[in-house]
Amino acid sequence: NAGVTQTPKFQVLKTGQSMTLQCAQDMNHNSMYWYRQDPGMGLRLIYYSASEGTTDKGEVPNGYNVSRLNKREFSLRLESAAPSQTSVYFCASMERDAAGYTFGSGTRLTVV
Amino acid sequence: EDKVVQSPLSLVVHEGDTVTLNCSYEVTNFRSLLWYKQEKKAPTFLFMLTSSGIEKKSGRLSSILDKKELFSILNITATQTGDSAVYLCAVEGGSNYKLTFGKGTLLTVNP
Repeated sequence: NAGVTQTPKFQVLKTGQSMTLQCAQDMNHNSMYWYRQDPGMGLRLIYYSASEGTTDKGEVPNGYNVSRLNKREFSLRLESAAPSQTSVYFCASMERDAAGYTFGSGTRLTVV
Repeated sequence: EDKVVQSPLSLVVHEGDTVTLNCSYEVTNFRSLLWYKQEKKAPTFLFMLTSSGIEKKSGRLSSILDKKELFSILNITATQTGDSAVYLCAVEGGSNYKLTFGKGTLLTVNP
């Protein structure tokens, strides 16, 4: 009964370092999403994948890349982290007949 | 560009009060409007609304959608301290089931 699993839960990076946030879902959902949440800004879409093998940019894609490795996994990569990328990152998945997204527990990323 | 505006941005009430949270939207090819509750972790789903005028209800929470005027309200009656949270409104529009979120309403319920 895992739902959407994100790793890591917390991370501190130095400016310029790279890292990959991992996300996996076990609900056989086709669509997966990466959002960032900043104080006073709500959730903003970074990238999404409507189905295995496809990815598209969301509202704030700059500085990020994604990979939809298979139907279960959707990873988010920061190639050269910047302080502006300090945020809480949420992965989510959805199937059309389901009611809304299922969210992962989030990754709190700090870039110093 | 799709847009979701929530009001008020924050609200402080006493236990037992009734509150109304507002959400207005502009979206291409509207599919649905969703409400989420967020405490100090991931958002949890409350309601999904697709049709005008049909109230969704769950305990003390209820929500209704007006597709003509492009807004929704979330009502919470007899508020409790456990209702303290950020309430997020999101709209699904266009293809690929993307959700556009509002900035949220921070509700604080004092004993």
